[in-house]
Amino acid sequence: GQQLNQSPQSMFIQEGEDVSMNCTSSSIFNTWLWYKQDPGEGPVLLIALYKAGELTSNGRLTAQFGITRKDSFLNISASIPSDVGIYFCAGQNYGGSQGNLIFGKGTKLSVKP
Amino acid sequence: EAQVTQNPRYLITVTGKKLTVTCSQNMNHEYMSWYRQDPGLGLRQIYYSMNVEVTDKGDVPEGYKVSRKEKRNFPLILESPSPNQTSLYFCASSPRQGSLYGYTFGSGTRLTVV
Repeated sequence: GQQLNQSPQSMFIQEGEDVSMNCTSSSIFNTWLWYKQDPGEGPVLLIALYKAGELTSNGRLTAQFGITRKDSFLNISASIPSDVGIYFCAGQNYGGSQGNLIFGKGTKLSVKP
Repeated sequence: EAQVTQNPRYLITVTGKKLTVTCSQNMNHEYMSWYRQDPGLGLRQIYYSMNVEVTDKGDVPEGYKVSRKEKRNFPLILESPSPNQTSLYFCASSPRQGSLYGYTFGSGTRLTVV
C-alpha cells in the first residue's frame, strides 16, 4: 500500500529555535494533514491542506502542500516547551477504500527550556 | 462536548483471555477506525467501518475482530490476546470516509498482554 516517509524521526532543540519536518510519498494525495500527539493523548489535527502549493498557517505553525502532491512540510517557529510531542503527517485520497488516512511514522520533538 | 471515548485507558491481561476495548463517538460520524501505535512504526490501521454493519480490514487485522451494530459504537475485540498485541490503541471517527476534515481520535488504550 501507500507509504509516507516522515523525517526526521526525532529532534532535540532549544526553546526559541525554529523546527522543520517533512513527509514524502511515492504516490500523490489530494489532502495532507498534520497532527500532534501530546504525551498520553490521542493525535489532534493541527493543519489541513487541500490544494497543491497551498501554504497554511495556524499560529506559529506553517504547513505547505507540495506542488507535486507527493510531499508536505511543517514548520514551527520560536518553539516553546509545550510544543513537545509527536507530530504525524497524513495523506488522504477521496472515495472508496482510498478514503483512509495514511500516516507517517512521526517526528518526536523534544524542547529544552 | 464532541468526542471519541475509549475504555479502558489502561489494561493488563494474560495471554488467551478474551477482551474488548470499547469506542463510542457522539458526533453522528459514519466512519470509524482502529489504529495501533508502536515505537518506530507509527499508526497502523487495524480495521475500519464506513457505516453500520459495514467493516473492512486495515493493514494489520490479524488477531482482531470488530463489529458495528450501532453508528456510535465500534468495539475492538481480541479473542485470544498474545504478547505481540501489547500496544497503544486508538479509535478514530470522521463524518464519512474521505472526509476533508481528517479524523477525531480518542485518548487511547494502553494494552499489556503478559
